[in-house]
Amino acid sequence: DIVVTQSPDSLAVSLGERATINCKSSQSVLFSSNNKNYLAWYQQKPGQPPKLLIYWASTRASGVPDRFSGSGSGTDFTLTISTLQAEDVAVYYCQQYYSSPRMYPFGQGTELEIK
Amino acid sequence: QVQLAESEGGVVQPGRSLRLSCVASEFTLSHYGMHWVRQTPGKGLNWLTFISNHGDIEDYADSVKGRFTVSRDNSKNTLYLQMNSLRPEDTAVYYCVRGPSHGAFFFWGHGTMVTVSS
Repeated sequence: DIVVTQSPDSLAVSLGERATINCKSSQSVLFSSNNKNYLAWYQQKPGQPPKLLIYWASTRASGVPDRFSGSGSGTDFTLTISTLQAEDVAVYYCQQYYSSPRMYPFGQGTELEIK
Repeated sequence: QVQLAESEGGVVQPGRSLRLSCVASEFTLSHYGMHWVRQTPGKGLNWLTFISNHGDIEDYADSVKGRFTVSRDNSKNTLYLQMNSLRPEDTAVYYCVRGPSHGAFFFWGHGTMVTVSS
C-alpha cells in the first residue's frame, strides 16, 4: 500500500515566523505524461471539515492567502506558511491522489500551534 | 456558493445498517465525481469510496468493500452511502466530498457523526 507520512506530528511557531511541514510519499506521485505532482494540502480547524489549500503540489486553491505555498516533486513535498498568523492554528494534512487503483491516502496530520 | 449537506448520522448497533445522504446545492451534481471520506475521533482522514458523475464507475477502500455502497440520484442532486454490517470501528465523522477521480478534494460537506455501539 502507498503510505504518506508527514513530519513533524506537531509544531509550535511564533507569530510572524515561518512554519514548514513536510510530506513524504512511499511512491512517486509525479505523472510523467503531464509533469504534474498529484499531491494536495488541506487545513482543518476544530469542528470544521478540511479545507483545500494547495493542489498539484504548488497551486493555491481559490481564496487561499499567498503566505501559503507548496513545493516539492516526486516523493518529497513541503507546505510553507511564510509569516504565521493566529488564524493559521490548525491541523494540516497532505494527500496523494495519484495511485491506481484509487486509494487517496492522507498523511497522519501535523498540528500547528502558536509558540 | 457550493454546499454539501450530509444527513443526520446517529447511534447504530453493531451489525445494523444506516444510509447517509448528501444534498448538493449551488452546483449541478451530475457534472462532478463525488467521494465519501471519514475521520475517526482524534485520528486521521480515510477515503472510502468514489462514484463518477453518471454513476458508471464506483470504487471502494478495502476496509468497506462489500459492506458499503455508494449511489447517486442526479435528478435529486443527492449522493448516498449505504452502510451495512456496521462495526464499532466504523464510528467516525463521515464527509461527502466533491472531487474528480485522480484529483484533489475541492469541496467538503460539514460532516455527520456515526457511532456504532451497543
